[in-house]
Amino acid sequence: GENVEQHPSTLSVQEGDSAVIKCTYSDSASNYFPWYKQELGKGPQLIIDIRSNVGEKKDQRIAVTLNKTAKHFSLHITETQPEDSAVYFCAASMDDKIIFGKGTRLHILP
Amino acid sequence: DVKVTQSSRYLVKRTGEKVFLECVQDMDHENMFWYRQDPGLGLRLIYFSYDVKMKEKGDIPEGYSVSREKKERFSLILESASTNQTSMYLCASSQQGADGYTFGSGTRLTVV
Repeated sequence: GENVEQHPSTLSVQEGDSAVIKCTYSDSASNYFPWYKQELGKGPQLIIDIRSNVGEKKDQRIAVTLNKTAKHFSLHITETQPEDSAVYFCAASMDDKIIFGKGTRLHILP
Repeated sequence: DVKVTQSSRYLVKRTGEKVFLECVQDMDHENMFWYRQDPGLGLRLIYFSYDVKMKEKGDIPEGYSVSREKKERFSLILESASTNQTSMYLCASSQQGADGYTFGSGTRLTVV
């Protein structure tokens, strides 16, 4: 079955700097890659997603890139702000079931 | 505002009790899922359902069962709660074959 590895587990960046979270997946049949943000006391929320026929997608300060050959995908957050502090999960799917990475706790330092 | 609602935010139960965690979605979604979330282990799939009265085991089904009598409601049952089932439980739903999940806010269950 699919396995998703996520790095780093913890990331601290200065406010205003960029943050990058990287994931790899094992099953080349996976074709959908969502990213979730989980704030304290809440369930994860979908923030951006990408499909396997696209290499990059951007939405304001966040972007996701996908390298199908290497089975890598990454989340990029630019101009980080205090409200970006949260746990971020990457995930991969080829059908209705999504497999999640273990999460990255992002700290934005003042 | 569409949502997934989990009936309890916090729950404390005794070892050996039968525990019901309820989840209701108002989006007419086909698929519903139960996950548990533990530090360092991420989200692990317990059970899921693609239709009413249908259920499939996820990665960690032992000690759990589920019920889906109506499309909008998916219940997770701990037949005899144990301390190693202390965790955050998250319910999610999605449209069939479509995009990402919508999650509930979670139920933090403590078994003492």
